[in-house]
Amino acid sequence: AQSVAQPEDQVNVAEGNPLTVKCTYSVSGNPYLFWYVQYPNRGLQFLLKYITGDNLVKGSYGFEAEFNKSQTSFHLKKPSALVSDSALYFCAVGFQKLVFGTGTRLLVSP
Amino acid sequence: GAGVSQSPSNKVTEKGKDVELRCDPISGHTALYWYRQSLGQGLEFLIYFQGNSAPDKSGLPSDRFSAERTGGSVSTLTIQRTQQEDSAVYLCASSPLESYGYTFGSGTRLTVV
Repeated sequence: AQSVAQPEDQVNVAEGNPLTVKCTYSVSGNPYLFWYVQYPNRGLQFLLKYITGDNLVKGSYGFEAEFNKSQTSFHLKKPSALVSDSALYFCAVGFQKLVFGTGTRLLVSP
Repeated sequence: GAGVSQSPSNKVTEKGKDVELRCDPISGHTALYWYRQSLGQGLEFLIYFQGNSAPDKSGLPSDRFSAERTGGSVSTLTIQRTQQEDSAVYLCASSPLESYGYTFGSGTRLTVV
């Protein structure tokens, strides 16, 4: 069975500082991994995905994620946070049917 | 259309009533998914349609929930005899064949009073 864990309910970071939102996964075989973002009263928007290849994946809005097979992690990162990055972030694993984590709320303060 | 369209955006219903939620996927997307997002919780998979294959209904929480997809396009999620615990945001997503990652609609917020 596939599962995803997002250990932090909320991450607080000051604008301009680097941010990391953590995700670990459990899956048999090669994982397909995703990050989505949800702004208030909106649906989820795709940020990036890892299927195969380079372990560092670049996505929308300056976000990137690093696939680490030995640690079964797929942490989301951004070098310099913006207040507008404040939102709910979901990690997901799967092939066609995705299993989502419980989400991490990112709060970027001015 | 340009995106996944869901209607209504908000629905308030009385306990015990039936409701229908509609999803219009992106044209040409063969896969369609329904998820439920409850307050403070992640996304719960409900059902998945892929082309003409039998749908994967493994996530439907009870027999009060059903969904159909007509003509490989529009989908309707029906909840019969609604209960207060059905209150949630119901999200629909679609994807092309052999593509990884979904496009989500904005969701239907269902409130059962």
